[in-house]
Amino acid sequence: AQTVTQSQPEMSVQEAETVTLSCTYDTSESDYYLFWYKQPPSRQMILVIRQEAYKQQNATENRFSVNFQKAAKSFSLKISDSQLGDAAMYFCAYRSQGGKLIFGQGTELSVKP
Amino acid sequence: DAGITQSPRHKVTETGTPVTLRCHQTENHRYMYWYRQDPGHGLRLIHYSYGVKDTDKGEVSDGYSVSRSKTEDFLLTLESATSSQTSVYFCAISESGTTKEDTQYFGPGTRLTVL
Repeated sequence: AQTVTQSQPEMSVQEAETVTLSCTYDTSESDYYLFWYKQPPSRQMILVIRQEAYKQQNATENRFSVNFQKAAKSFSLKISDSQLGDAAMYFCAYRSQGGKLIFGQGTELSVKP
Repeated sequence: DAGITQSPRHKVTETGTPVTLRCHQTENHRYMYWYRQDPGHGLRLIHYSYGVKDTDKGEVSDGYSVSRSKTEDFLLTLESATSSQTSVYFCAISESGTTKEDTQYFGPGTRLTVL
């Protein structure tokens, strides 16, 4: 069975600085998708970025980018130029061909002004 | 934003009472999901539906049942609520469900407290 692990329960970053959130996963599949979701205090789950396992190029969405290391089964999220509005819980998730989404435990990010 | 609403948004109930949560979508997506979110566990799948009257169990389905009589509505029922079911419940939808690139979109969540 696939598992997703986020080893950092909490992270903190200074406004305008860069922060990286870690995620590792375990799978025997070769074809899958990975996602980062953001959950602000409003509780709404917001898709931040997604990465296909077969694509070598790391996905980027504005200030958000990933470092996808398939061999190491690592999928970290980098947030550049951090803003106060980036403060939230961030979840890493894995999705296989079977369709079910498996979430990590979450990392709570705080942004200091 | 995907058109997903959940009702109620907050509910407090007593142990042993039945509770029904509703998820409504306006996107005409085939797949709908119910998750629960608890500290230290992320989101865990309770049940999902792949069409009207077609449902299946997820990771933590004990104590829950679901129904889907219309494409747009997916109901989650706790037949006899227990304190361990105190949680935040999220509904999600997706277009195809079985393809890995399919993305799930989430509703605003329902906070349920069982006293």
